[in-house]
Amino acid sequence: GEDVEQSLFLSVREGDSSVINCTYTDSSSTYLYWYKQEPGAGLQLLTYIFSNMDMKQDQRLTVLLNKKDKHLSLRIADTQTGDSAIYFCAESRQGGNTPLVFGKGTRLSVIA
Amino acid sequence: GAVVSQHPSRVICKSGTSVKIECRSLDFQATTMFWYRQFPKQSLMLMATSNEGSKATYEQGVEKDKFLINHASLTLSTLTVTSAHPEDSSFYICSASTGLAGGSRQFFGPGTRLTVL
Repeated sequence: GEDVEQSLFLSVREGDSSVINCTYTDSSSTYLYWYKQEPGAGLQLLTYIFSNMDMKQDQRLTVLLNKKDKHLSLRIADTQTGDSAIYFCAESRQGGNTPLVFGKGTRLSVIA
Repeated sequence: GAVVSQHPSRVICKSGTSVKIECRSLDFQATTMFWYRQFPKQSLMLMATSNEGSKATYEQGVEKDKFLINHASLTLSTLTVTSAHPEDSSFYICSASTGLAGGSRQFFGPGTRLTVL
């Protein structure tokens, strides 16, 4: 079945880059997403990448996709204390009109 | 971007009572809505898929008689937790899709925290 794995914790110093990694098992995944969840809040879509892309950059965020290894990463440049949150990797087969399969989330702590 | 609201944002109820949670797409028509549940420090798990005007499709292990889903219009889906028990305490999040293929066209609500005493 579908499975998405992430490391549970990451701690970085303010100003450094953060890299959050994710692996998935479903080779049929066509869309891969990164969501941010702050304490007690819902999900905020940060970015997504289509499976035929290798990289996508949006301001401080860079997503890298290695489809062969089924590995996805999110790099946050110049990490700020406001970036402290849980980051979820998710995948879907057909995009927005199908349910997403989420990883357990990576808790990012930014040390000032 | 598209906005999805949920009401209430937080609810506390007694065991045995029923609780209704609303999910609304505020500025677009959602042909499909999804209901997820998130236990503390866990990921989101899909409970059911709801299409406007038809019965919801429930994931394995989710009791359809306990979690009643109604998607009566293109902008509103409701989840009713019937005869709630403490183990139903969780964070319930809905998402709405425009039905168009591709990309990020699924938008999440802010979630409803249910506490059953």
